[in-house]
Amino acid sequence: GQQVMQIPQYQHVQEGEDFTTYCNSSTTLSNIQWYKQRPGGHPVFLIQLVKSGEVKKQKRLTFQFGEAKKNSSLHITATQTTDVGTYFCAARGIQGAQKLVFGQGTRLTINP
Amino acid sequence: NAGVTQTPKFQVLKTGQSMTLQCAQDMNHNSMYWYRQDPGMGLRLIYYSASEGTTDKGEVPNGYNVSRLNKREFSLRLESAAPSQTSVYFCASRQPGRKETQYFGPGTRLLVL
Repeated sequence: GQQVMQIPQYQHVQEGEDFTTYCNSSTTLSNIQWYKQRPGGHPVFLIQLVKSGEVKKQKRLTFQFGEAKKNSSLHITATQTTDVGTYFCAARGIQGAQKLVFGQGTRLTINP
Repeated sequence: NAGVTQTPKFQVLKTGQSMTLQCAQDMNHNSMYWYRQDPGMGLRLIYYSASEGTTDKGEVPNGYNVSRLNKREFSLRLESAAPSQTSVYFCASRQPGRKETQYFGPGTRLLVL
């Protein structure tokens, strides 16, 4: 079945440093979503990317969808302690498909 | 709106016991999902229901059964719990369409001894 690989699995940074997590698929994706899960919490939707080469920003977070629609990245500029958590990408292979395939997640910890 | 609610929040079972995890959503969503989350494994789909009256297997259905009781409720049953089913279980719902956000419940933490 469809697989989505996410790297790195863990990332520890000093507060104020940047952070990036990457998501890769061997097949072309219909769209990709990003979720954040705080420690002890549940995943919360951040954004959806649909178009080839799409770039979206949410304050210090920048999301990109690759030109071939096979990869995506989430970049956080100048991390803050509130950014702590696990970030998941999730993809649909086919538009309208019921199943969302999640990456393994990147757990971000921050040294204040 | 409460969104997606799950009960119970925590449960300890002995091997071989059975239990049902309850999930309800008040957003009038057609699709509902059950995931399990294990360390380093991300979220894995157990079962889903595209609409009321239908259910389908996900990635890891063995040892589980589901019931889509009505549009609001989607339950997950463990008939004979095993230690390998120790996990955090999340229910989610979405309304298929242009914006396909999945909304997750708070989770049920299950320990099988």
